[in-house]
Amino acid sequence: SQQGEEDPQALSIQEGENATMNCSYKTSINNLQWYRQNSGRGLVHLILIRSNEREKHSGRLRVTLDTSKKSSSLLITASRAADTASYFCATDNTGGFKTIFGAGTRLFVKA
Amino acid sequence: DAGVTQSPTHLIKTRGQQVTLRCSPKSGHDTVSWYQQALGQGPQFIFQYYEEEERQRGNFPDRFSGHQFPNYSSELNVNALLLGDSALYLCASSLSGSLSRLFFGSGTQLSVL
Repeated sequence: SQQGEEDPQALSIQEGENATMNCSYKTSINNLQWYRQNSGRGLVHLILIRSNEREKHSGRLRVTLDTSKKSSSLLITASRAADTASYFCATDNTGGFKTIFGAGTRLFVKA
Repeated sequence: DAGVTQSPTHLIKTRGQQVTLRCSPKSGHDTVSWYQQALGQGPQFIFQYYEEEERQRGNFPDRFSGHQFPNYSSELNVNALLLGDSALYLCASSLSGSLSRLFFGSGTQLSVL
């Protein structure tokens, strides 16, 4: 079973537009992470937000976390064709050692 | 600084056979996690190894087993392969106590015919 569920499942935008992906999870977490995966390759870590943080920025990425709603969002500003990939949220549950991934959002950025 | 390396990159097996996948963690990392990713799905946690012991396991049958060696490298073994075992198998390494940021290898694509 998967802890996180991303929304939407797929997103298609024009280059230069912003892309927003959402993630919901079910149980208490230590932190939440976002990863990116280009087709058929390994995942690359993008950003980590701790459970006591509400917002974090890294370059064109902005992540928010609402622990009361058990949800997070990833915003990619001024998207580029090279941002085309699958994006996954992942959570580390309290009291566990495993990082659990959602089903992902497939982002298509058209040039 | 070498990242996470996995071998082989691709593998074709038939039902009932056994397979061993290998992973070398990023230099300095002591924890290895294995994931199975079916096409179009997110990675599913198989298990994690730390100090040569299986520390936590996901919902996978006993046909899936693993090992971690003193140099922190790891193997994933799958016995009695089923068609449904066809997937991308990902290895991720991390440093214990480091907020669990994972570094992934490029994966082994396993096809079971």
